[in-house]
Amino acid sequence: GENVEQHPSTLSVQEGDSAVIKCTYSDSASNYFPWYKQELGKGPQLIIDIRSNVGEKKDQRIAVTLNKTAKHFSLHITETQPEDSAVYFCAASKGGSYIPTFGRGTSLIVHP
Amino acid sequence: SAVISQKPSRDICQRGTSLTIQCQVDSQVTMMFWYRQQPGQSLTLIATANQGSEATYESGFVIDKFPISRPNLTFSTLTVSNMSPEDSSIYLCSGGAETETQYFGPGTRLLVL
Repeated sequence: GENVEQHPSTLSVQEGDSAVIKCTYSDSASNYFPWYKQELGKGPQLIIDIRSNVGEKKDQRIAVTLNKTAKHFSLHITETQPEDSAVYFCAASKGGSYIPTFGRGTSLIVHP
Repeated sequence: SAVISQKPSRDICQRGTSLTIQCQVDSQVTMMFWYRQQPGQSLTLIATANQGSEATYESGFVIDKFPISRPNLTFSTLTVSNMSPEDSSIYLCSGGAETETQYFGPGTRLLVL
């Protein structure tokens, strides 16, 4: 089955810095890669996703890149703010299968 | 997108009792899932809730312990039966439509004493 590795497990940055979270996947048939943000006491919220037919997608301060050859994808957050502090999960799923495999999560701490 | 609500948001229960968690989606979704999340951990899939038929359980989870219902395309319940302290966790419902995008509910925080 699919295996998703996520690094780092904890990331601490200063407000205004950039943050990068990386994930690798094992199944080359995976073609959909969502990212979720989970704030304390809440459920995961979809923040951005990318499909295998594109290499990069941006939405304001966040962007996701995908390298299908290397089977890795990354989340980039620029100009971080304290409200970006949360746990971020990456996931990978295959076409026709709605069940994603999740990474173990990255706890992002943005210091004011 | 889909908006998902769960009830209750949290509960404290005695061991040996059962709790039923409700999940309501504001639109019809093809797939609904139930997850468990231990504090500080990732998401573990319990089962896929199938409309009008028995749920599909992941390895390590059984119907007798976690019976699931899904009577229609917008509603599902998960029961945690004969609870023990090891069942203390966050239980999350998610749903998705034709695309692979899944949306999560806010979770139910369960403490078993």
